[in-house]
Amino acid sequence: GAVVSQHPSRVICKSGTSVKIECRSLDFQATTMFWYRQFPKQSLMLMATSNEGSKATYEQGVEKDKFLINHASLTLSTLTVTSAHPEDSSFYICSAGTDMNTEAFFGQGTRLTVV
Amino acid sequence: GDSVTQMEGPVTLSEEAFLTINCTYTATGYPSLFWYVQYPGEGLQLLLKATKADDKGSNKGFEATYRKETTSFHLEKGSVQVSDSAVYFCALYTGNQFYFGTGTSLTVIP
Repeated sequence: GAVVSQHPSRVICKSGTSVKIECRSLDFQATTMFWYRQFPKQSLMLMATSNEGSKATYEQGVEKDKFLINHASLTLSTLTVTSAHPEDSSFYICSAGTDMNTEAFFGQGTRLTVV
Repeated sequence: GDSVTQMEGPVTLSEEAFLTINCTYTATGYPSLFWYVQYPGEGLQLLLKATKADDKGSNKGFEATYRKETTSFHLEKGSVQVSDSAVYFCALYTGNQFYFGTGTSLTVIP
């Protein structure tokens, strides 16, 4: 199957700093990218959906100024957690969809810890 | 709207026991259906998928059949191993987004 690379896999940052997480589709063009957040022992919560070249669509309750999403090309989307706080500590997962619309492929996730 | 309902866990089985994890869905279109597995501290791994009605997905001894008449995609394995201990997520993909079940934690004891 197609490969989605998410980087970094783990990051620890200080409160008040910003962290950028990258999601790349390595061998296909991702027309749509999804960003999820997963709390311990829970399912994935969709944060936002982005299409290349357009603004991301955020789910209700997700602060767009807090979680900046950029989908600048068909192979790269980034999630920037701005002014991070300990409550932002979580597991973040991206997923990239193709124009076939039958499947999307997941990155390996990023464990963010804000201290 | 579209949604997935998955059997609650946790599930504890002895090695070589039969596994069933129920999953039903609600969808307005013709979604693709998936089972993902997540090991502790890791991301999601695709276990199997089915893209249309009556398709059977299979991998590593796991199977699930896309049943439109019962809107189900139950996961089964005839003989589980300790290494199958993980959290399993049923999901549907509409082309616009994924809808996930709540996840079922499986522990297999020797």
